[in-house]
Amino acid sequence: AIQLTQSPSSLSASVGDRVTITCRASQGISRALAWYQQKPGKPPKLLIFHASSLGGGVPSGFSGSGSGTDFTLTISSLQPEHFATYYCQQFHDYPYTFGQGTKLEVK
Amino acid sequence: QVQLVQSGAEVKKPETSVKVSCKASGYTLSDYYIHWVRQAPGQGLEWMGIINPSGGATSYAQNFQGRVTMTRDTSTSTVYMELSSLRSDDTGMYYCVRGLGGWRDYFDYWGQGTLVSVSS
Repeated sequence: AIQLTQSPSSLSASVGDRVTITCRASQGISRALAWYQQKPGKPPKLLIFHASSLGGGVPSGFSGSGSGTDFTLTISSLQPEHFATYYCQQFHDYPYTFGQGTKLEVK
Repeated sequence: QVQLVQSGAEVKKPETSVKVSCKASGYTLSDYYIHWVRQAPGQGLEWMGIINPSGGATSYAQNFQGRVTMTRDTSTSTVYMELSSLRSDDTGMYYCVRGLGGWRDYFDYWGQGTLVSVSS
């Protein structure tokens, strides 16, 4: 199975900060990567698909980049509603796999 | 609007089975695959498998092979996930999600989740 390693596992930041989360795949997955945001008690929400395409209704402050094995999710200016846990996911091969998550907390 | 509405919370004893339903609305069920994703309490996300509602073909993650069965009823636009031989570490939230398959198999809509608790 393809392993996805996210870093960092947790991150403390302030409103207005620019934040970057990385996701590394154990083998090449082209651009078959998605990012999700999950808030406590809620299902995950699609943010980014195909590594860099914005999901429906997702504000432009989110962006994604990368291909092959290295990917990043960037939030350009943190807002209070952005504090959540973020997961990357590959849909290149079964079994689909997720990164372990990055918890973004208020500094 | 697209909705995936799941059945309610379940409390089960070890070695029994649970069957969770996922009713799709706002789109044609057979146009999208349905996946199941599990999340243990305080943990990350784990893909369980996929069913193609058009024909019923399935593929399961090795961790669940032999214990999970995914089925569908196209007449009611409902997909089911049954997990047998339950253990305490099967406790968690179970989500149904939809994907278009292949290059477009990212998860754009999620069900609200069904909490399954396994305890003696």
